[in-house]
Amino acid sequence: EADIYQTPRYLVIGTGKKITLECSQTMGHDKMYWYQQDPGMELHLIHYSYGVNSTEKGDLSSESTVSRIRTEHFPLTLESARPSHTSQYLCASSEYYASDGRETQYFGPGTRLLVL
Amino acid sequence: GQQVMQIPQYQHVQEGEDFTTYCNSSTTLSNIQWYKQRPGGHPVFLIQLVKSGEVKKQKRLTFQFGEAKKNSSLHITATQTTDVGTYFCAGSDSWGKLQFGAGTQVVVTP
Repeated sequence: EADIYQTPRYLVIGTGKKITLECSQTMGHDKMYWYQQDPGMELHLIHYSYGVNSTEKGDLSSESTVSRIRTEHFPLTLESARPSHTSQYLCASSEYYASDGRETQYFGPGTRLLVL
Repeated sequence: GQQVMQIPQYQHVQEGEDFTTYCNSSTTLSNIQWYKQRPGGHPVFLIQLVKSGEVKKQKRLTFQFGEAKKNSSLHITATQTTDVGTYFCAGSDSWGKLQFGAGTQVVVTP
């Protein structure tokens, strides 16, 4: 199991508030990802990064933004939270194994966000 | 773009029975990975398949990669309550980008 951390684990917040979800990993992985997942549903990629100063939007359109100033840190920010943002947000980082071309994603525990 | 589809979406299994979940890609994959997410938890890597026709086993779990590298299956024998969760396949294209399927949610009844 890899060392990837997310804070807060749970967050209840009012509409219109600005929030930042934190994600940190200590493995030195270059690639990091943010997924949005409703309970029991599929994973939707919303942002990814291939390294410092690299950020890309994922397959699912999101009103959030990300930054990657340090390798180990990949925070996600919502400028103005809305009830439609209520979901679970999962952060992941990946390691590439040259021996077999495998690129395994390691997931953090997730942040469960409720916007009232 | 690449699409990965999984069936069934839900699987209700009696404890002790076998079942199979399938993963199909619209394009040829470089490799395919399987993840398991327990209820309330986060996805955890199970295995990766790289070669055409590859078969790998992990105890009661058998993973298979199709000859054309466009489909995969996960077969679980003698299902136990610990098998409860959602199983995701994820296909990787030649650029290394991973596309997750929608998952198969497995419920086990004693």
